[in-house]
Amino acid sequence: DARVTQTPRHKVTEMGQEVTMRCQPILGHNTVFWYRQTMMQGLELLAYFRNRAPLDDSGMPKDRFSAEMPDATLATLKIQPSEPRDSAVYFCASGRGAGYEQYFGPGTRLTVT
Amino acid sequence: RKEVEQDPGPFNVPEGATVAFNCTYSNSASQSFFWYRQDCRKEPKLLMSVYSSGNEDGRFTAQLNRASQYISLLIRDSKLSDSATYLCVVNRGNGQNFVFGPGTRLSVLP
Repeated sequence: DARVTQTPRHKVTEMGQEVTMRCQPILGHNTVFWYRQTMMQGLELLAYFRNRAPLDDSGMPKDRFSAEMPDATLATLKIQPSEPRDSAVYFCASGRGAGYEQYFGPGTRLTVT
Repeated sequence: RKEVEQDPGPFNVPEGATVAFNCTYSNSASQSFFWYRQDCRKEPKLLMSVYSSGNEDGRFTAQLNRASQYISLLIRDSKLSDSATYLCVVNRGNGQNFVFGPGTRLSVLP
């Protein structure tokens, strides 16, 4: 049963530290999404890749966030420097292509103190 | 106005009840539609894709009305395990991303 995997599952860090979250999409999927979820804002799209190329990162604070896909099996989301307001659950999802359903990973629960 | 809106909820229903959720979307160019469920502290999971005039999967029926830009989800014979937040998701098409509604929370009570 193919699944999206994410690491770490939990991360507690101090303000100002760099945070790197990793995602392995389902093999054969060519779209990858990063979302952030908080109680107040719900699910927000941060970045969207197709065939490893970034198509939309308008939801991402550019001054501190960056998203990359160094290869087809790995997507990364970095926050540098982290701030307490970045505390949230970060989900990665992958899909077969435009318009097809997405499958979510278990998420990384980030707490910045 | 948000691009995808859902019944605010929460819905509290007894076991065995039939419950319906509504979702409206504002972008008439939207091409594909989905319902996801999300359990507390878990990731969203695909419940159903909604194509053309709608589809059924066991106790779940999804309907799409393109003219009214409206999607619905009907759950028959509710089970305790149906308790979750239900997310309406719309894809704008042309390779664009998905838009998630805010979700409707359902509690099925014994």
